[in-house]
Amino acid sequence: AQSVTQLDSQVPVFEEAPVELRCNYSSSVSVYLFWYVQYPNQGLQLLLKYLSGSTLVKGLNGFEAEFNKSQTSFHLRKPSVHISDTAEYFCAVSGPGNTPLVFGKGTRLSVIA
Amino acid sequence: GAVVSQHPSWVICKSGTSVKIECRSLDFQATTMFWYRQFPKQSLMLMATSNEGSKATYEQGVEKDKFLINHASLTLSTLTVTSAHPEDSSFYICSARGASGGYYNEQFFGPGTRLTVL
Repeated sequence: AQSVTQLDSQVPVFEEAPVELRCNYSSSVSVYLFWYVQYPNQGLQLLLKYLSGSTLVKGLNGFEAEFNKSQTSFHLRKPSVHISDTAEYFCAVSGPGNTPLVFGKGTRLSVIA
Repeated sequence: GAVVSQHPSWVICKSGTSVKIECRSLDFQATTMFWYRQFPKQSLMLMATSNEGSKATYEQGVEKDKFLINHASLTLSTLTVTSAHPEDSSFYICSARGASGGYYNEQFFGPGTRLTVL
């Protein structure tokens, strides 16, 4: 079975500063990794995903993540955040076959003006 | 492509009544659908997985008689919350996965249904 740990429940950061949201996963098989963003009272929006190939993945709104198999991590980064990036961010993992996504507990990113 | 809709987006009901939530894949065939539940300021918890034409598989701790899931076609799954009580108030989110290619490697999420039981 897969599991996901998001190490930070809240991350405050000043506008235009860089940010990293950490995600570690646990799995005995190959994995697919995802980052989703959720704005207040809304559903999930896919930011980016790693299925195979290049370990550096670029996604929406200037976010990127790097799959690190040796460290079992998939940290999300953005070089310069905006106020509009304030939201809840979820890391998720699934295994091969028809296994469902398992979500981390989420990280609340608060961008301060 | 890969659009999933949910209806209704928001529902208020009285305690003891039943509520049905629909989840539809609009532009692909969803061989598997998943139902998640999200409490305020918490993560998504998987409730059940359903394959078209088969009985749903429920996660541990989820009452199958209370949360009835039907996946009768490749584009529609329904979740019925029977005899709803205030503790069932939550945000319910469905997702769908197709049979092959890009529709298989990723789950596509609906916008969610907010249920409030008075």
